[in-house]
Amino acid sequence: SAVISQKPSRDICQRGTSLTIQCQVDSQVTMMFWYRQQPGQSLTLIATANQGSEATYESGFVIDKFPISRPNLTFSTLTVSNMSPEDSSIYLCSVGSPNTEAFFGQGTRLTVV
Amino acid sequence: GENVEQHPSTLSVQEGDSAVIKCTYSDSASNYFPWYKQELGKGPQLIIDIRSNVGEKKDQRIAVTLNKTAKHFSLHITETQPEDSAVYFCAARATGGGNKLTFGTGTQLKVEL
Repeated sequence: SAVISQKPSRDICQRGTSLTIQCQVDSQVTMMFWYRQQPGQSLTLIATANQGSEATYESGFVIDKFPISRPNLTFSTLTVSNMSPEDSSIYLCSVGSPNTEAFFGQGTRLTVV
Repeated sequence: GENVEQHPSTLSVQEGDSAVIKCTYSDSASNYFPWYKQELGKGPQLIIDIRSNVGEKKDQRIAVTLNKTAKHFSLHITETQPEDSAVYFCAARATGGGNKLTFGTGTQLKVEL
């Protein structure tokens, strides 16, 4: 299975600011995803990070709020912009290839105050 | 889109007993069903998965069964141990759906001594 590293592992941020989360994989992967897990809740897909093109966002998530980059097949970033307390969640990077297993990073626990 | 329901939301068993968690899905095109274990402060860990061409899969103390006709699948943990205590998530994925996972709402399993 792929080894996925997320940075930072946790952060406390002031409202109105932005935080960029990094996801690094130890091997090239076709697909990378970003999920949000609100406190005590399940995982909700934010977007699919596409290499060399704009990310594909799920309903309810927009690029202005969650800009995503994927410059190559092993790295992606998710930015949470203009944060409010409602953005306090765990943000998770996931990787996989078509018809294979999906693996998750350890997550970034974000608290907005 | 896909909808995955999971029951129960909490489950408490005595050490050594069996635990069963059930999920139903709505999209008949779904053909891959993984189960994840999430411990406090960690990302989801893939523990077992099943594809639609298989009715049952077992790995030591854990097993998963799939009933495609009824659109439901279950996780079975035998001889439970305290370290099995965690939140378990089921998920479903359809080929051609961008490899996106749709998650159930999670089951908090507590194994008591």
